[in-house]
Amino acid sequence: GQSLEQPSEVTAVEGAIVQINCTYQTSGFYGLSWYQQHDGGAPTFLSYNALDGLEETGRFSSFLSRSDSYGYLLLQELQMKDSASYFCAVRDPRAGGNKLTFGTGTQLKVEL
Amino acid sequence: DADVTQTPRNRITKTGKRIMLECSQTKGHDRMYWYRQDPGLGLRLIYYSFDVKDINKGEISDGYSVSRQAQAKFSLSLESAIPNQTALYFCATSSDTSYEQYFGPGTRLTVT
Repeated sequence: GQSLEQPSEVTAVEGAIVQINCTYQTSGFYGLSWYQQHDGGAPTFLSYNALDGLEETGRFSSFLSRSDSYGYLLLQELQMKDSASYFCAVRDPRAGGNKLTFGTGTQLKVEL
Repeated sequence: DADVTQTPRNRITKTGKRIMLECSQTKGHDRMYWYRQDPGLGLRLIYYSFDVKDINKGEISDGYSVSRQAQAKFSLSLESAIPNQTALYFCATSSDTSYEQYFGPGTRLTVT
């Protein structure tokens, strides 16, 4: 089976840097995705890592270590609009890797 | 216009009633998914379909059924609704060449 762990809540101040961690236990692994969800809204894709290392997209970066079954999402220059829930998700190799198993989410609160 | 639409957006129904949630997409994707979101539990996969003639159970399919009427349409039915099916339901799509899933705006279902 697949299981993912992430902190339930993180608080940071505007302009700061915050890291949201995700550890996973899977019976197979294609890659790790990150999604953002504002309160009650549709989840939206942020980033994807298939290989070890850092992927950068603007203020957001995502890191993966396959040997440690660990990844993180790094948010820089935090803005109030970054207050949202962030989900990591593993691509399940069953069904060709198009199934996603999601973590329970980390609620990020950005304060002034 | 939104790429992935869901109807209804909100629904209140009574225990034992049959209800259908509908999803349509204009992205031309073959792959469609239904997820359920409960507070603190993240997104859990109910059913998925990789083309019109393909239907697969996800991790929590009991009490649900689906129909893939066309490439663009994927419906979720609750044959006899029960209160613990009260949740936020999301439809999502993906192409067969991308790991990114695109989510609809969600349907908030309350079963009384």
